[in-house]
Amino acid sequence: AQSVTQPDIHITVSEGASLELRCNYSYGATPYLFWYVQSPGQGLQLLLKYFSGDTLVQGIKGFEAEFKRSQSSFNLRKPSVHWSDAAEYFCAVGAKEYGNKLVFGAGTILRVKS
Amino acid sequence: EPEVTQTPSHQVTQMGQEVILRCVPISNHLYFYWYRQILGQKVEFLVSFYNNEISEKSEIFDDQFSVERPDGSNFTLKIRSTKLEDSAMYFCASSPLEDTQYFGPGTRLTVL
Repeated sequence: AQSVTQPDIHITVSEGASLELRCNYSYGATPYLFWYVQSPGQGLQLLLKYFSGDTLVQGIKGFEAEFKRSQSSFNLRKPSVHWSDAAEYFCAVGAKEYGNKLVFGAGTILRVKS
Repeated sequence: EPEVTQTPSHQVTQMGQEVILRCVPISNHLYFYWYRQILGQKVEFLVSFYNNEISEKSEIFDDQFSVERPDGSNFTLKIRSTKLEDSAMYFCASSPLEDTQYFGPGTRLTVL
């Protein structure tokens, strides 16, 4: 069965510090990989996506993620966190073979301290 | 920038009542989806819709649920007889092709 694991439920970082949010997946097909962000009361905003090609992908708001097939991981990074980055972050996986339905991780809540 | 919109933002209903959640996908998108997120749980896929028919549905999407694209712009999710466990945030999404899904802000459904 397809599954996505985000091992960290909460992460707290200081403003200006670097950030890495972890995502591991188990999938029986070549996956598409996504990171979405949800601010309180808001919907799911797409941060970035990976389909194929260069395994390091750039997204909005200064985020990037690296696909590592050997580790089944797609970790999200940002070199310097801003207070406005405080939100919940979701990793999601899809594949054409599974009708492109997305399977989501449980989410990681990011807190930024000043 | 075009966005997916959803109405209402919050719906309160009595158990056993029918509800219709509405979505306006991005205008040139072809694939439409509903997901839900029960409080404290993961976002779960409900159904996908393409070319005026359901292309895939999860085991959650039983006979109490239906979807429709009644005109060229709206995409609706109907729950015929709501249960307490249907209380959740319901997200609509659309995609131009079978790839990137863009989500709406969600409708919070509360069943009393």
